[in-house]
Amino acid sequence: GAVVSQHPSRVICKSGTSVKIECRSLDFQATTMFWYRQFPKKSLMLMATSNEGSKATYEQGVEKDKFLINHASLTLSTLTVTSAHPEDSSFYICSAITGTSNQPQHFGDGTRLSIL
Amino acid sequence: GENVEQHPSTLSVQEGDSAVIKCTYSDSASNYFPWYKQELGKRPQLIIDIRSNVGEKKDQRIAVTLNKTAKHFSLHITETQPEDSAVYFCAASSQAGTALIFGKGTTLSVSS
Repeated sequence: GAVVSQHPSRVICKSGTSVKIECRSLDFQATTMFWYRQFPKKSLMLMATSNEGSKATYEQGVEKDKFLINHASLTLSTLTVTSAHPEDSSFYICSAITGTSNQPQHFGDGTRLSIL
Repeated sequence: GENVEQHPSTLSVQEGDSAVIKCTYSDSASNYFPWYKQELGKRPQLIIDIRSNVGEKKDQRIAVTLNKTAKHFSLHITETQPEDSAVYFCAASSQAGTALIFGKGTTLSVSS
């Protein structure tokens, strides 16, 4: 159980394009989802915390107008990279938790975003 | 905020040897410490975790120890195998299910 599906797995697009990434909890309701960013051979950096039905909380240095996060249902959160540029190329990973406290996060498979 | 330091950044061992990875954290409010294994291009996989009310936890060849006073925790892998080769991340949070702060990772290479 506790499967998180992330789509797409890979995106290659031109500079200036907006890209939407979906994160779905398949067999549980995710009250909270997290979005991380990982550069090659680097660690996972928390971008934002997304709670269902409310605005996302962004980490310092993350532009909320560039990285739009929506968590409209208990099973879906989306991250939209607006007007993407080559420096936005990275591996984006979501994770989800249930409302139950003291349970680990469940990670999606990640999305490899490449901006040409 | 929380800061997690992880050492070493790379670790090479012979098959059958033990591997130890160490992490320190800064926020005394942190109570949950998971370890993840990540293969190239894949999702991080939880391999073991420990909560602050426990000093040690073991699962077959993997063990984690926690010293809350010193604010450090370690991952121990015994009888290493080539398939243990991957990047390992430690992390900390105030409790399971809240945002994780990750260490920078350790690339473990096990040679046969």
